Amino acid sequence: KNQVEQSPQSLIILEGKNCTLQCNYTVSPFSNLRWYKQDTGRGPVSLTIMTFSENTKSNGRYTATLDADTKQSSLHITASQLSDSASYICVVSARIKAAGNKLTFGGGTRVLVKP
Amino acid sequence: DAGVTQSPTHLIKTRGQQVTLRCSPKSGHDTVSWYQQALGQGPQFIFQYYEEEERQRGNFPDRFSGHQFPNYSSELNVNALLLGDSALYLCASSLVPAENSPLHFGNGTRLTVT
Repeated sequence: KNQVEQSPQSLIILEGKNCTLQCNYTVSPFSNLRWYKQDTGRGPVSLTIMTFSENTKSNGRYTATLDADTKQSSLHITASQLSDSASYICVVSARIKAAGNKLTFGGGTRVLVKP
Repeated sequence: DAGVTQSPTHLIKTRGQQVTLRCSPKSGHDTVSWYQQALGQGPQFIFQYYEEEERQRGNFPDRFSGHQFPNYSSELNVNALLLGDSALYLCASSLVPAENSPLHFGNGTRLTVT
């Protein structure tokens, strides 16, 4: 069964500090891994997409890493800002032969940045 | 360039009733997917529409049905509502077959079943 597990479930960090979120998956055949940011009451917004051959990708202060061998990914937030308070969702895409891709969503990590 | 738009933004229904939610995809996108997101959880895939046909379906009962129109907009219908159907319903659009292109989500419809 395809699964995506994220940790921690939630965390609180002080403004200006760094943090790292984890994502472990058991999805195959692997196509790509995505990180989304979801503000409260809004739809998710794409941060990064990584394919099998990519092991790191950045989007401003957000840096995602991928280890396809261990099936793990991380999202690192540098110099956090109050606007980083949101849920961060890891999504893994499996390639389905006739029907395109199938996405499996993690439960998300809720980040609260305090001043 | 309009993004994904959903209507209504909020809805309150009574158990046993039926509901229709609407979605207009991002300009240029031809594929629409629907997700159910319970409070504090990640989105759960309901189904995907492409070329006016249901292409993929998640583990949702037949009470959940959909439709895609020639202009690529889509509807999600839920019959015989249960209390457990209360959730945020998200619509996402994309361009097939670009498998590495990101999904663009709307801001959802918050459905409350009482």
